[in-house]
Amino acid sequence: EVQLVESGGVVVQPGGSLRLSCAASGFTFDDYAMHWVRQAPGKGLEWVSLISWDGGSTYYADSVKGRFTISRDNSKNSLYLQMNSLRAEDTALYYCATAPYMDVWGKGTTVTVSS
Amino acid sequence: QLVLTQSPSASASLGASVKLTCTLSSGHSSYAIAWHQQQPEKGPRYLMKLNSDGSHSKGDGIPDRFSGSSSGAERYLTISSLQSEDEADYYCQTWGTGILGVFGGGTKLTVL
Repeated sequence: EVQLVESGGVVVQPGGSLRLSCAASGFTFDDYAMHWVRQAPGKGLEWVSLISWDGGSTYYADSVKGRFTISRDNSKNSLYLQMNSLRAEDTALYYCATAPYMDVWGKGTTVTVSS
Repeated sequence: QLVLTQSPSASASLGASVKLTCTLSSGHSSYAIAWHQQQPEKGPRYLMKLNSDGSHSKGDGIPDRFSGSSSGAERYLTISSLQSEDEADYYCQTWGTGILGVFGGGTKLTVL
């Protein structure tokens, strides 16, 4: 079964850090570039970051540039999002999805930034 | 700058058909898009990739009731024989050279 499973979401204080993980199974992970997408409570989908199949190229939304870092470990079929200097507006459900057209989604992991 | 525009809401009766629209901004009418469905309290689900010529490829398990079409800068998602479980938010999304991840604002579909 093709599957993406996110983990690592917790409640964290403003200014804190967090690393999200996304475990892939059921498909050849290193055939795909990968996205992180988030959804704030009651809002629409917002693209966050993209990484190429080999990790050689990374891209970020302006809202997270300089604070978030995307990475992957193809030997572990895993995708990561390191989130630093977290703000209240980063509170959201975070999803990983295959690129380019997001034909596989995970179920998401919740990040809450609050004091 | 590429922008995808969707109506915020739509409604149709149980058993009827509905056509949702996603409009690509000027100069981007050749772009393919993807349609995604998000049922209440669930994660997004990929429905289909839709090309500018109207050809489309659906995700695994997507019923035949879901179809896509295109006209110029407009991309359509048609759902026929509406069922209660089709009540959901529908998002269009695109990509391309220099365009990494763009979503429309989503359309909330109510099944009456």
